[in-house]
Amino acid sequence: AQTVTQSQPEMSVQEAETVTLSCTYDTSESDYYLFWYKQPPSRQMILVIRQEAYKQQNATENRFSVNFQKAAKSFSLKISDSQLGDAAMYFCAYTGTASKLTFGTGTRLQVTL
Amino acid sequence: KAGVTQTPRYLIKTRGQQVTLSCSPISGHRSVSWYQQTPGQGLQFLFEYFSETQRNKGNFPGRFSGRQFSNSRSEMNVSTLELGDSALYLCASSLDSTESYEQYFGPGTRLTVT
Repeated sequence: AQTVTQSQPEMSVQEAETVTLSCTYDTSESDYYLFWYKQPPSRQMILVIRQEAYKQQNATENRFSVNFQKAAKSFSLKISDSQLGDAAMYFCAYTGTASKLTFGTGTRLQVTL
Repeated sequence: KAGVTQTPRYLIKTRGQQVTLSCSPISGHRSVSWYQQTPGQGLQFLFEYFSETQRNKGNFPGRFSGRQFSNSRSEMNVSTLELGDSALYLCASSLDSTESYEQYFGPGTRLTVT
């Protein structure tokens, strides 16, 4: 079975600074996708960024980028120029052949002035 | 394009009752998945429907069931409600093409069982 681990329950970053959220996963599948979702207080899950396992190039979406280390089974999210609106729970998620998402336990990100 | 919609948004039920939650996917999306989110267990996969057929199922008791209609809308039903069923139930839809496995979530239905 696939597992996703987020070892940082809470993180804090100052506005305009950069923060990195960690995620590791375990799988025996060769084809899979990894995602970062953001869940603000409204509880709406918002897709932030995705990474295909077969792609070596790290995904980037505006201020969000990932560091995908396939051999180490690591998938971290970097948020640059942090904004107050980035404050939320961030979930790392995995999907493979089963077409279901397996989530980590989440990291609560606080953004301070 | 409209996002995933879920109804109702909030629900209060009594132990032993049953409940039906509804989900309308993004237009053109054929796969609908359901997740349960609780403080203790986190986000857990319930089941996935594709073309009116259940394709995957998580580790939940048979009291949890679902179905999908020909227009891809989906419902999930929980019978004989227990206090532990109190949770946020999230529905997600996806294209389910070989080029996209992204799942887009609705706002959720918050179920409280008293």
